[in-house]
Amino acid sequence: QVQLVESGGGVVQPGRSLRLSCAASGFTFGSYGMHWVRQTPGKGLQWMAVVSYDGRINYYGSSVKGRFTISRDDSKKTLYLQMDSLRADDTAVYYCAKDGHSSSILESWGQGTLVTVSS
Amino acid sequence: QSVLTQPPSVSAAPGQKVTISCSGASSNIGKNSVSWYQQLPGTAPKLLIYDNNKRPSGIPARFSGSKSATSATLGITGLQTGDEADYYCGTWDSSLNEGVFGGGTKLTVL
Repeated sequence: QVQLVESGGGVVQPGRSLRLSCAASGFTFGSYGMHWVRQTPGKGLQWMAVVSYDGRINYYGSSVKGRFTISRDDSKKTLYLQMDSLRADDTAVYYCAKDGHSSSILESWGQGTLVTVSS
Repeated sequence: QSVLTQPPSVSAAPGQKVTISCSGASSNIGKNSVSWYQQLPGTAPKLLIYDNNKRPSGIPARFSGSKSATSATLGITGLQTGDEADYYCGTWDSSLNEGVFGGGTKLTVL
């Protein structure tokens, strides 16, 4: 079965960087687009970024464009989110999710990793 | 402010039916299919409905979806206490080139 396991969260100071990872198994990783979605504690879902199945196309949410970079390593079946210039309002649980047959469908989700930006 | 608009909360008694609306625009719901996600307390979201009205394997037929123009609706019949959760609609916005979600609807089964 599809399994997505995020890691790399933790406490980081404002202005610093952090890289999240998402290890995938149970499906042909290189055939699917992958997304990052975040959720501020007690609030709703916010879509962050998507990378196409071949890594050639990326899109970002307006709040993170220019600060966050999504990438993938198909040889390791791993998705990444490089987060730079972190701010307090980036504090959230970050989920990775697998595409369905289109980017309108987030078919499977990981359990999430908590990022806390605080001095 | 979320791009898609959902009611903050709905409630109904066990065994009853409830609907949750999701309103968008021509660039998102009007152009792309809608998915619905269920988030039980303390857990990650789970896909409930995709392509407006299709259920992934394992999702009971009590859950249904529909779409008309720039709005979508999630229906749940035969409500159970285990259905208490937050429900989110989502789709792609072809103008923003971003994924978009509704603000979420908290379902209470009284």
